[in-house]
Amino acid sequence: KNEVEQSPQNLTAQEGEFITINCSYSVGISALHWLQQHPGGGIVSLFMLSSGKKKHGRLIATINIQEKHSSLHITASHPRDSAVYICAVPNLLQGGSEKLVFGKGTKLTVNP
Amino acid sequence: NAGVMQNPRHLVRRRGQEARLRCSPMKGHSHVYWYRQLPEEGLKFMVYLQKENIIDESGMPKERFSAEFPKEGPSILRIQQVVRGDSAAYFCASSPTRGSPEAFFGQGTRLTVV
Repeated sequence: KNEVEQSPQNLTAQEGEFITINCSYSVGISALHWLQQHPGGGIVSLFMLSSGKKKHGRLIATINIQEKHSSLHITASHPRDSAVYICAVPNLLQGGSEKLVFGKGTKLTVNP
Repeated sequence: NAGVMQNPRHLVRRRGQEARLRCSPMKGHSHVYWYRQLPEEGLKFMVYLQKENIIDESGMPKERFSAEFPKEGPSILRIQQVVRGDSAAYFCASSPTRGSPEAFFGQGTRLTVV
């Protein structure tokens, strides 16, 4: 069974700062997901990655398969980036598919 | 191509009533997952369904909860005789194939039991 640990649990930053959120997992995986959830809102998939690095706008996600670790970076943070960021990894189901196991999330607040 | 659609977005039920939550997967997706997010907790897997089949329900509470995904129409998560502890956000995700690592989430249904 995969365990997912995220850090920090809460993060407050000033607008413009560089943000890093970390995720560690315990069992080898096919892909890791980074998700975003605004207060009272739905869940948006930011990245799915299985190796290396992906970039989308000001967001960058990296993964180190050997170390079972991933990071989500936000450059030039903005108040609209304030949200909960969730790391998720798959666990095999008996049917051969995969369910997601989630970290507890990192609550990011970016102040103007 | 519409995304995963869940309705209602908000649902209020009195203790003892039934709650029905609906999820229409993305077009072409025949695999649906339900997840529950209790207040101040992370998301937890409940059930995985394919059309007309429950594949894995290891995360479902043993009583009062059931799920279906009929040949036609949305997937339904049904909670009978709701209690205050059922208050949570329920999210549905769909994927195109078995074993696909992709996950497309709906907006969720926020259930409040009063």
